Amino acid sequence: EAQVTQNPRYLITVTGKKLTVTCSQNMNHEYMSWYRQDPGLGLRQIYYSMNVEVTDKGDVPEGYKVSRKEKRNFPLILESPSPNQTSLYFCASSFTSGGEQFFGPGTRLTVL
Amino acid sequence: ILNVEQSPQSLHVQEGDSTNFTCSFPSSNFYALHWYRWETAKSPEALFVMTLNGDEKKKGRISATLNTKEGYSYLYIKGSQPEDSATYLCASLSGSARQLTFGSGTQLTVLP
Repeated sequence: EAQVTQNPRYLITVTGKKLTVTCSQNMNHEYMSWYRQDPGLGLRQIYYSMNVEVTDKGDVPEGYKVSRKEKRNFPLILESPSPNQTSLYFCASSFTSGGEQFFGPGTRLTVL
Repeated sequence: ILNVEQSPQSLHVQEGDSTNFTCSFPSSNFYALHWYRWETAKSPEALFVMTLNGDEKKKGRISATLNTKEGYSYLYIKGSQPEDSATYLCASLSGSARQLTFGSGTQLTVLP
């Protein structure tokens, strides 16, 4: 089944404790991206990747890192999480940047 | 950051009513306009990807139009059903065509 998977789905952590949210797609998509969703603000892009080893900042990259070592995986890294990073996070992928985005199930992160 | 705006923010309609909402986006350097449907506790799913001025797309009772010169798109739902209740997101791709910018969505509730 064609899909985008994210793990974990839910996470409660404390300020400063490094964490990684994994994202994987099995559709051979070149374009992958991370979004956060906060009430009243819609989806805001954190980082995106046009292809392997090609990543770029979105609208809200501060406090996040990404890597794209393989085509299928695009992990989101929070080196030192803070409470303002409490949010719902979505990973998405598509064949090209202009193509329809396929979204993962979301990761709800709470930073205490 | 591009301004993609959607209106209304929310709306309630009776089952059987037809309805429409608006997405406005910067018309300069336009590349593509996406519409997504986002049900509660699920992930956004693509409805339409539109690229040409004057384009009209249809999927069942849902259709969309695009005006790239003036920077707006309309989404229409004919004969709304309770299962149409969701948040409808639009997103614009422009400039370098690498970054998708989402509006904050229109939350539709269809009352039985």
